[in-house]
Amino acid sequence: DQQVKQNSPSLSVQEGRISILNCDYTNSMFDYFLWYKKYPAEGPTFLISISSIKDKNEDGRFTVFLNKSAKHLSLHIVPSQPGDSAVYFCAAINTGTASKLTFGTGTRLQVTL
Amino acid sequence: DTGVSQNPRHKITKRGQNVTFRCDPISEHNRLYWYRQTLGQGPEFLTYFQNEAQLEKSRLLSDRFSAERPKGSFSTLEIQRTEQGDSAMYLCASSLVGGKQYFGPGTRLTVT
Repeated sequence: DQQVKQNSPSLSVQEGRISILNCDYTNSMFDYFLWYKKYPAEGPTFLISISSIKDKNEDGRFTVFLNKSAKHLSLHIVPSQPGDSAVYFCAAINTGTASKLTFGTGTRLQVTL
Repeated sequence: DTGVSQNPRHKITKRGQNVTFRCDPISEHNRLYWYRQTLGQGPEFLTYFQNEAQLEKSRLLSDRFSAERPKGSFSTLEIQRTEQGDSAMYLCASSLVGGKQYFGPGTRLTVT
């Protein structure tokens, strides 16, 4: 039962363009969402998060959008840079009852020159 | 560097052997988590501690797995009688209560 889904295993974007990574969830009890970035042979690094009481959160080049009715969130990276090439994981948590993160399967982003 | 550290970074073992991994969390963090990541998947929760108490264990944590955090600081994860299906990246994370989880670099286990 995959409660957090990232349906695009990979994405290729040109440098300077926008990267959009998508994530869907099925558990309506999730109330906090995070994006992590992972380079090979390293652990996931926290990137940006959003609470379910918001629909948008920005941090520099990174913006996360949340559509609760559709149970969908997306990460926008503008402009994309070669150093953004990594695997991006969407994660969700029910802050009231659990501490564990539920992760998606990841999207590999490649930013080309 | 005051991040989460894990040792060893890589472990190759033969099927049937026991292995133990160590995680040192960020010093002020009272929560410590273990996750496992296999190829093509996201990290999957195994267990977590608040201080020295183990508060939750996943169904993924079979009887061959045991985790401890004896003094509420570092933690160990032991796998007894390893099987090839145990080959994975084992990730440790730490946080404050209600805070974001920060991950270590992981221990890659290969069971031959």
